[in-house]
Amino acid sequence: EVQLLESGGGLVQPGESLRLSCAASGFSFSDHAMTWVRQAPGKGLEWVSTISNLGRTTLYGDSVRGRFTISRDTSKNTLFLQMTSLTAEDTAVYYCAKCGENCGGLDFWGQGTVVTVSS
Amino acid sequence: QSALTQPPSVSGSPGQSVTISCTGTSSDIGTYNRVSWYQQPPGAAPKLMIYGVSNRPSGVPDRFSGSKSGNTASLTISGLQAEDEADYYCHSYTSSNTYVFGTGTKVIV
Repeated sequence: EVQLLESGGGLVQPGESLRLSCAASGFSFSDHAMTWVRQAPGKGLEWVSTISNLGRTTLYGDSVRGRFTISRDTSKNTLFLQMTSLTAEDTAVYYCAKCGENCGGLDFWGQGTVVTVSS
Repeated sequence: QSALTQPPSVSGSPGQSVTISCTGTSSDIGTYNRVSWYQQPPGAAPKLMIYGVSNRPSGVPDRFSGSKSGNTASLTISGLQAEDEADYYCHSYTSSNTYVFGTGTKVIV
């Protein structure tokens, strides 16, 4: 059974940093690209970042490029999102998701971790 | 990278069919078949319903179908059921080597 378990969310002040983790199990982690998606309170889904199966290629949304860094540790089956220079607009539930073939769809999702940026 | 355009809501009675449109551009839906659809009930994580424009993952009822014409993708729910009431989002790859979600549609049964 595929499982994705996010952690690392919390309350931080504007300008601070936070690192999210996503522990994956139930599938061959190194065979699949992975993605972070976020959802601000009462808003729609926003694609944040995608990393290729071996980590050689990383893609970012305009709103986070230059501030967020996606990475993965295939030895620990874990996906990361390092977030810096956080603002109130980054407040959201952050989901990690597994890419299907050719990342034509996100076929499994975690339950999300909440990030709140507030002074 | 602007969000794909979806209607805010669609409604139908049990047993009827509803179709949700997702309008993009020639830089995303119009060029790529990496179009997918997600169902999100209140308070829950999204669930993949359609990938690659028209493919259903195992376990998704065949009442759900996807298609594409030009720059617009569509999700049709046939034989609408009360359990289908949720938010639905489309998603596409873009020529900027990014991905983008739709604005979301609330299905009311």
